Order: sequence, then structure tokens, then C-alpha cells
Amino acid sequence: DSGVTQTPKHLITATGQRVTLRCSPRSGDLSVYWYQQSLDQGLQFLIQYYNGEERAKGNILERFSAQQFPDLHSELNLSSLELGDSALYFCASSVTWGSNSPLHFGNGTRLTVT
Amino acid sequence: GQQLNQSPQSMFIQEGEDVSMNCTSSSIFNTWLWYKQDPGEGPVLLIALYKAGELTSNGRLTAQFGITRKDSFLNISASIPSDVGIYFCAGQPNSLIQGAQKLVFGQGTRLTINP
Repeated sequence: DSGVTQTPKHLITATGQRVTLRCSPRSGDLSVYWYQQSLDQGLQFLIQYYNGEERAKGNILERFSAQQFPDLHSELNLSSLELGDSALYFCASSVTWGSNSPLHFGNGTRLTVT
Repeated sequence: GQQLNQSPQSMFIQEGEDVSMNCTSSSIFNTWLWYKQDPGEGPVLLIALYKAGELTSNGRLTAQFGITRKDSFLNISASIPSDVGIYFCAGQPNSLIQGAQKLVFGQGTRLTINP
């Protein structure tokens, strides 16, 4: 158990809808990261927050947004969903940031858009 | 963007055999990490490498951070059935923005073991 908790585990929704994925980092970790894993594309970095502030952005669509709250949990909001958004969404956390702060991943939320 | 080339994409071996996989990049990385992912779970950190030339072991696993900082390999000795899964390399590039950390992942090596 990595200590990173993601809910829900599975989500099935229709195109055009909006969903919220939730992540609780490991106790003491200040950085939270979101990754998308599609069948053919491996793990793609979406966004990073450190202590409530956005620190890095990857290939995150404008329809997607995230935030990290004062209690350090994070939410990833996906709107106007399309079939291609079906994927595994992983949250990871690390103590701080930088080379000596490896990421620990949760077990993901599997999103299916129908 | 930065990409990691991980090979092989898949491996089919007999139990007891040794395994070797590697990752290369055209860019320099400050850190190399190796993760394993089992079905339905998130990637689990196996080994972290922080210095060029560093060789680190974790049980039957050994990984090295290449001298050029553009490559890394992972070896698994005497494979057992529970080694089955997908192995990912990940690299941490330099960042000019304080606090930013974007891990770049390889495409994974799927390991299958025949008993």
C-alpha cells in the first residue's frame, strides 16, 4: 500500500458529462501529481501541485482542471467528456519536489466514457 | 517533448532466467526511477537512482544510472512468477522552475514468465 488514496476506483459516464476524481496524498507529502494512462500511451503527466499551488503542467486539456486544497488532498475535474478520455487516471505524491523526492502512486481511477 | 525509449516492449522468459531492460533518452536526466505495475494497480517504485554511474540493488533487482545521464538499465536475476508485470523507467529532467517536477515515463516492458 503506497499510502496514496484515490476515489472512486471506477467511473462510468456518458459523453458530455463532467466528473471529479479525488486523491489523498501520503501523510506528510506536500506535492501531488496527476497522470493519465491510456492503453497505447503509457503514463502521461498532466499537472503537479505543491502545497496548494500549481507548479508544473503537462499535456493537460483545457477541459480538465485540478486543484489542491489546504488539507493537501487534490481533485481532478474532467468536463465535456469525450470517448477518448477513457483511461486510468493516477494520482501520485511526494514529500516535496526535486530529484530526491520520488513519486508514490495510488491505484488509480478507471474512467470509462460511453 | 522529452521521450524515453524503453526496450524491449515485451519479454517472454522461463522461470529462473535473468532479465535485462533499458531506457535511453536524447536528453539528460537528473534522476532515473524504475517502477513495476501489476494489473489494476498503480506503479510501485522499485529503485531510485540519483547520480550518474550509480549502481543500486534491491534484492534480485539491480539498476544503473548511465554515465552520460541519458540511459539506465534494470536487471532482474533468477526470475520468479511474481516478477510478472509491466516495468516502467522514468526520468526526471532539469527544471528551471522551482518546485516543478515532471517525470517522463518510458512505454513499459511487459514481462511474462513461463513456469
